[in-house]
Amino acid sequence: AQKVTQAQTEISVVEKEDVTLDCVYETRDTTYYLFWYKQPPSGELVFLIRRNSFDEQNEISGRYSWNFQKSTSSFNFTITASQVVDSAVYFCALSELGNYGQNFVFGPGTRLSVLP
Amino acid sequence: KAGVTQTPRYLIKTRGQQVTLSCSPISGHRSVSWYQQTPGQGLQFLFEYFSETQRNKGNFPGRFSGRQFSNSRSEMNVSTLELGDSALYLCASSLGDGPNTEAFFGQGTRLTVV
Repeated sequence: AQKVTQAQTEISVVEKEDVTLDCVYETRDTTYYLFWYKQPPSGELVFLIRRNSFDEQNEISGRYSWNFQKSTSSFNFTITASQVVDSAVYFCALSELGNYGQNFVFGPGTRLSVLP
Repeated sequence: KAGVTQTPRYLIKTRGQQVTLSCSPISGHRSVSWYQQTPGQGLQFLFEYFSETQRNKGNFPGRFSGRQFSNSRSEMNVSTLELGDSALYLCASSLGDGPNTEAFFGQGTRLTVV
């Protein structure tokens, strides 16, 4: 069965600190896709990053970076030099090839508060 | 490029009534998915439509239904509303090329059942 766990319910940091959001997933598929979305107070989910199960290369995109480790089923997301505008709820999501269509399993979310 | 538009933004309904929510996807997107977000259950997948056909369905009772029109616009309907149906309903659109496709979400419809 598919499952996504985000153990951190809430995190508070001071502006300019680095922050890492943890995500652990469960899946039986060998091909799957992992996503991070951000939900600001306005409500819509904003796409941040995507990673395929067959590509474990970790990357940096601006202030965002991610660490994908299949051996531990983790897909952690780091914001460098956090800003107040980064305050939001962050969701990790899993999508499996076997689903054929678009069907996310979301984690419970981590509420990030960046204090000035 | 216009984003995903959901109407109405807010709704208050009485138990037992029915409600219809609307979603207009990004132009060119053929897949529309619906999610329910509640504080207790989080984000849960309802169903996905692609080219007017339901392609995936989540674990929700038959009171929840949807459809997609030829212009890719989608509606979801909830009949015989219950208090527990109070939630933020989010619509997502994508090209529908597969599970690795980036999905774009609307701002949601907040439904309150009293």
